[in-house]
Amino acid sequence: GAVVSQHPSWVICKSGTSVKIECRSLDFQATTMFWYRQFPKQSLMLMATSNEGSKATYEQGVEKDKFLINHASLTLSTLTVTSAHPEDSSFYICSAIGGTSGNTQYFGPGTRLTVL
Amino acid sequence: GQQLNQSPQSMFIQEGEDVSMNCTSSSIFNTWLWYKQDPGEGPVLLIALYKAGELTSNGRLTAQFGITRKDSFLNISASIPSDVGIYFCAGQANAGNNRKLIWGLGTSLAVNP
Repeated sequence: GAVVSQHPSWVICKSGTSVKIECRSLDFQATTMFWYRQFPKQSLMLMATSNEGSKATYEQGVEKDKFLINHASLTLSTLTVTSAHPEDSSFYICSAIGGTSGNTQYFGPGTRLTVL
Repeated sequence: GQQLNQSPQSMFIQEGEDVSMNCTSSSIFNTWLWYKQDPGEGPVLLIALYKAGELTSNGRLTAQFGITRKDSFLNISASIPSDVGIYFCAGQANAGNNRKLIWGLGTSLAVNP
């Protein structure tokens, strides 16, 4: 149980374009999802916390208009990187809480974004 | 943001050796978690600790929640090559609706067969 998937697993895009990343909880209802960014050889950096049906709460320094988060259902949250630039290239990982997982976060496999 | 002090930063050991890593915090946590991350993948939960003093095992892995609630350690016994990866500790305050995780910087483990 507590399986989280992400799609796509990797994406390459041109500078200025927008990219959408999906995070799904496959076998439980995720009341809360978290989005992280991880640069090489670093720890995970929390970007935002997303509760189903409400606006996401962004961490300090994360631009909400650039990183659009939608959590429209209990099994799906999306992160859209708008007008992507090379410095947005990173490994984006989501996690989910809900069901029998209690407050324990289960992570997706991550999405590697490369902006040319 | 806040980060946990995790040590060592990296380890290079021989197959069969035991490994120990730990995390300390300046603040109290109600939950300690240990994750392993392989290259290009998301973290996988190894052990979750919910009670001060708790000692929990998962196969060759053993972790403890410190009595002060400000530290935790993870031991791996009889290491094998597939133990290679980065190990992260994470603490959770669980105060009110705050379920954010505070992360350590990771311990990179290399195992020489």
